[in-house]
Amino acid sequence: GNSVTQMEGPVTLSEEAFLTINCTYTATGYPSLFWYVQYPGEGLQLLLKATKADDKGSNKGFEATYRKETTSFHLEKGSVQVSDSAVYFCALSDGGYQKVTFGTGTKLQVIP
Amino acid sequence: KAGVTQTPRYLIKTRGQQVTLSCSPISGHRSVSWYQQTPGQGLQFLFEYFSETQRNKGNFPGRFSGRQFSNSRSEMNVSTLELGDSALYLCASTPQGKDEKLFFGSGTQLSVL
Repeated sequence: GNSVTQMEGPVTLSEEAFLTINCTYTATGYPSLFWYVQYPGEGLQLLLKATKADDKGSNKGFEATYRKETTSFHLEKGSVQVSDSAVYFCALSDGGYQKVTFGTGTKLQVIP
Repeated sequence: KAGVTQTPRYLIKTRGQQVTLSCSPISGHRSVSWYQQTPGQGLQFLFEYFSETQRNKGNFPGRFSGRQFSNSRSEMNVSTLELGDSALYLCASTPQGKDEKLFFGSGTQLSVL
């Protein structure tokens, strides 16, 4: 079956530091890949997506590139802010009816 | 446009009871899916409904069930509650339910005592 593996958290960074959260996946076929973010007390919201190999998703300074050869979709941001503190989920959809597979989430804490 | 609305926000139940959670999707969205979120397991897919039909189901026991109404609103029911059912239950909607961006509600926090 499909699976998503994310790096363990929590990740603690100083403001303006570089962020990388690793994500690798296992799936048959050509899944779509997503990063969702969850702020305290809220549901998840889509941060970015990529639907085919070598696509780069980007939003709010975050980027991730769909790497089929390494089955990875690592999330990066050049300079984090305190407001980026949240839990980040990597996810995939294999084209089935909305059975999205999520990673376990990585908590990010950014300190001033 | 109003977002996905889940009610109630918090629930406290005892073992053996049953519970019903409600989800109102974004207007025009016909697909509603449900997820269970726990600290140890992350998000796990429960089921997905489209036009009142269950199209997909996760690996949960039969105590977990759901339905969707003609106005796309959905309910999820858990019978004979167990301590391990304590979790945040999230509902998400999409227009068609295929490879699309999921719009999540804020969830219902269920505590089973």
